Amino acid sequence: GEDVEQSLFLSVREGDSSVINCTYTDSSSTYLYWYKQEPGAGLQLLTYIFSNMDMKQDQRLTVLLNKKDKHLSLRIADTQTGDSAIYFCAESLNYGGSQGNLIFGKGTKLSVKP
Amino acid sequence: EPEVTQTPSHQVTQMGQEVILRCVPISNHLYFYWYRQILGQKVEFLVSFYNNEISEKSEIFDDQFSVERPDGSNFTLKIRSTKLEDSAMYFCASSGGLSDQPQHFGDGTRLSIL
Repeated sequence: GEDVEQSLFLSVREGDSSVINCTYTDSSSTYLYWYKQEPGAGLQLLTYIFSNMDMKQDQRLTVLLNKKDKHLSLRIADTQTGDSAIYFCAESLNYGGSQGNLIFGKGTKLSVKP
Repeated sequence: EPEVTQTPSHQVTQMGQEVILRCVPISNHLYFYWYRQILGQKVEFLVSFYNNEISEKSEIFDDQFSVERPDGSNFTLKIRSTKLEDSAMYFCASSGGLSDQPQHFGDGTRLSIL
């Protein structure tokens, strides 16, 4: 079945870049997502990429997709203490032109040290 | 910015009791979803709903679960006879429905079964 894997923890210093990695198994995925979850809060959509793209940049966020290796990464430039959160990778399967359900990884807890 | 709202934020219920979790999706969205996250585990898909009927459901969504859109704004998840293992964070999400329109999540309801 479909599966999404992420490393569980990442610790960086403030001002450094963070790179969070994700691998997925389903080759029919059409969209891949990054969600952010702060303590006690819901899932905030950060960014997403269509599977025919290699890269997407949005301010401090850069998403890279290697479709051959089924590898997705999220780079956060100039990481701030406010970026400390859990980051979830998710894939969606397209059916009938609309979105299917999302399959999530376990989340990567990013800790930013001042 | 429009958002998905969920109530209550925390629900404590005795085992065997019925519980209803409520969601107000983003107003012009057409697809609605429920997900759950058991503590320390992945966010798991439960059910999707479109045009007043279930469009997809997971193995978790058995006969004790039901969903309803009782009016033009609310979307509810009912658990008929709760079990201890139903304790989890339940997230509602909605999307415009087209494949390039991402799912937006609420802040979740923490359900604790005693």
